[in-house]
Amino acid sequence: EAQVTQNPRYLITVTGKKLTVTCSQNMNHEYMSWYRQDPGLGLRQIYYSMNVEVTDKGDVPEGYKVSRKEKRNFPLILESPSPNQTSLYFCASSSRLAEITDTQYFGPGTRLTVL
Amino acid sequence: GIQVEQSPPDLILQEGANSTLRCNFSDSVNNLQWFHQNPWGQLINLFYIPSGTKQNGRLSATTVATERYSLLYISSSQTTDSGVYFCAVEAWGYQKVTFGIGTKLQVIP
Repeated sequence: EAQVTQNPRYLITVTGKKLTVTCSQNMNHEYMSWYRQDPGLGLRQIYYSMNVEVTDKGDVPEGYKVSRKEKRNFPLILESPSPNQTSLYFCASSSRLAEITDTQYFGPGTRLTVL
Repeated sequence: GIQVEQSPPDLILQEGANSTLRCNFSDSVNNLQWFHQNPWGQLINLFYIPSGTKQNGRLSATTVATERYSLLYISSSQTTDSGVYFCAVEAWGYQKVTFGIGTKLQVIP
């Protein structure tokens, strides 16, 4: 089954404790992306990756890191989480056709609370 | 960056009614997608529609790229249509994706 998976689905942590949210897709997609969703703000892009070893900042990258060492995986790293990073996080993937992003498929979301 | 505005922000419908949701964007786009976020938070693809018209059952969408807007039509609404509808665009020359803040739809029996 074609899918995007994220782990963990729920996480409660404390300020400053490093964490990683994993994302994996089995569709051989080139493009992967992380979003955060906050009430009244819709989804905002954190980082995206056009392919292996190619990443770039989205609109709200501060406080986050990513890496793309393999095509299927795109982990999101919070080196020193703060309460303002409490949010619902989504990973997405899509293929790229002639330099244009195709349909995005989303993971189930990770609800993160930073105390 | 590109601005994406969705209207109306909230909508309450009686089951069986029809509705039109609108997405305006401020610049030329490579692609445009409509999503439905159900009450459990899951994001579901509805349409990938950078231009033209598509239909899928009771839902259809039209994007007029030259006038920078897209419309999502829901006919004979059902309670399962409740949730938030988002449009998302990728501006020409960029790989970033920008979402509107959504239209929250509630369909009541």
